[in-house]
Amino acid sequence: GAVVSQHPSRVICKSGTSVKIECRSLDFQATTMFWYRQFPKQSLMLMATSNEGSKATYEQGVEKDKFLINHASLTLSTLTVTSAHPEDSSFYICSAREPPKDTQYFGPGTRLLVL
Amino acid sequence: QKEVEQDPGPLSVPEGAIVSLNCTYSNSAFQYFMWYRQYSRKGPELLMYTYSSGNKEDGRFTAQVDKSSKYISLFIRDSQPSDSATYLCAMFVSGGYNKLIFGAGTRLAVHP
Repeated sequence: GAVVSQHPSRVICKSGTSVKIECRSLDFQATTMFWYRQFPKQSLMLMATSNEGSKATYEQGVEKDKFLINHASLTLSTLTVTSAHPEDSSFYICSAREPPKDTQYFGPGTRLLVL
Repeated sequence: QKEVEQDPGPLSVPEGAIVSLNCTYSNSAFQYFMWYRQYSRKGPELLMYTYSSGNKEDGRFTAQVDKSSKYISLFIRDSQPSDSATYLCAMFVSGGYNKLIFGAGTRLAVHP
């Protein structure tokens, strides 16, 4: 199957700092990528849909000014958690949609810990 | 009522058993169905992708879709301890952004 990478895999930061997470589709072009958040022992919660060349679409309740998404190219989307606080600590996972079947492949996830 | 219902388990089986994992859904517009496997602290891995009623087999895995009953299943034959993970069903309606709708995930433990 197709490969999606994420970087970094783990990050620890101080409260108030910003953190950027990268998501790349390695062997296909993805016009659409998705960002999810997952709490322990819970299913994935969609945060936003990222489209190349246009603004991201955020799910209800997700602060777009706090979670900045940029889909810079057909293989790269970034999520920036601005002014991170301890409650933002979570497991963040991206996925990329591979045409033509529109199958979604997931990255390995990024574990964020805000102290 | 959730759009996709999945028993979270946990489900514990002995090695070699046949495992049956199931999801029901309420939206008859769902056209594409997937099963993902997620190990602890990892991203989900795509196992099966189907879009029509019937069975699809891949090695020890068989995905079954019954659109008339709005019911999908994943069968794992000759289960191994390495199959211990959380299994997520997911589905979407074609068109638009094809947002995946997930089940809650079933935690499976296969013990030697």
